[in-house]
Amino acid sequence: GAVVSQHPSRVICKSGTSVKIECRSLDFQATTMFWYRQFPKQSLMLMATSNEGSKATYEQGVEKDKFLINHASLTLSTLTVTSAHPEDSSFYICSAELTGYSGANVLTFGAGSRLTVL
Amino acid sequence: AQKITQTQPGMFVQEKEAVTLDCTYDTSDQSYGLFWYKQPSSGEMIFLIYQGSYDEQNATEGRYSLNFQKARKSANLVISASQLGDSAMYFCAMREGLGYGNKLVFGAGTILRVKS
Repeated sequence: GAVVSQHPSRVICKSGTSVKIECRSLDFQATTMFWYRQFPKQSLMLMATSNEGSKATYEQGVEKDKFLINHASLTLSTLTVTSAHPEDSSFYICSAELTGYSGANVLTFGAGSRLTVL
Repeated sequence: AQKITQTQPGMFVQEKEAVTLDCTYDTSDQSYGLFWYKQPSSGEMIFLIYQGSYDEQNATEGRYSLNFQKARKSANLVISASQLGDSAMYFCAMREGLGYGNKLVFGAGTILRVKS
């Protein structure tokens, strides 16, 4: 089956530093990837839609200069949290769209990355 | 307006009994898909079941079934013969349209606890 690898699974950084999270489709090409953010015991909130070779589309209220998304290839999208602050601590999950599929099989999720900013 | 509504923040069920997790949705699209995911404490999103808006039969996957009532815009998840390992957060989600690039929107989730 389609597998999405997300790395790192956990990261701790100091306030003011930048952190990069990778979302990689291992055995398929993903034209579109989605980035979500989840606070404890809350829902997944879509941050942005990442499209290969073009600029990401950000949801309302998400700072695009704060959360930089790059989708430079059909198998890799990255989320960079710039100048991280403690309030950016959260669980970040990506999902990839399988081109050519529909219905239940169209999306697959990474395992998530837990970011803690000290 | 909320697209997906899950009204049960938390549910308890006795082991081996069945439980229904509620989900209602709001869309004006004719074509859409409804998903249920399980999220254990590890955080991974585990796909459980899918119902397309044009599917006439209710979806079933093992112990999971989806009670799809289109006119009422509800898509409740039924878990039969609950197991201790079913304890987790459950999310209902909807994807509008059949094209590519359409986003998946999640409900608030229901925490299910299975008691022994």
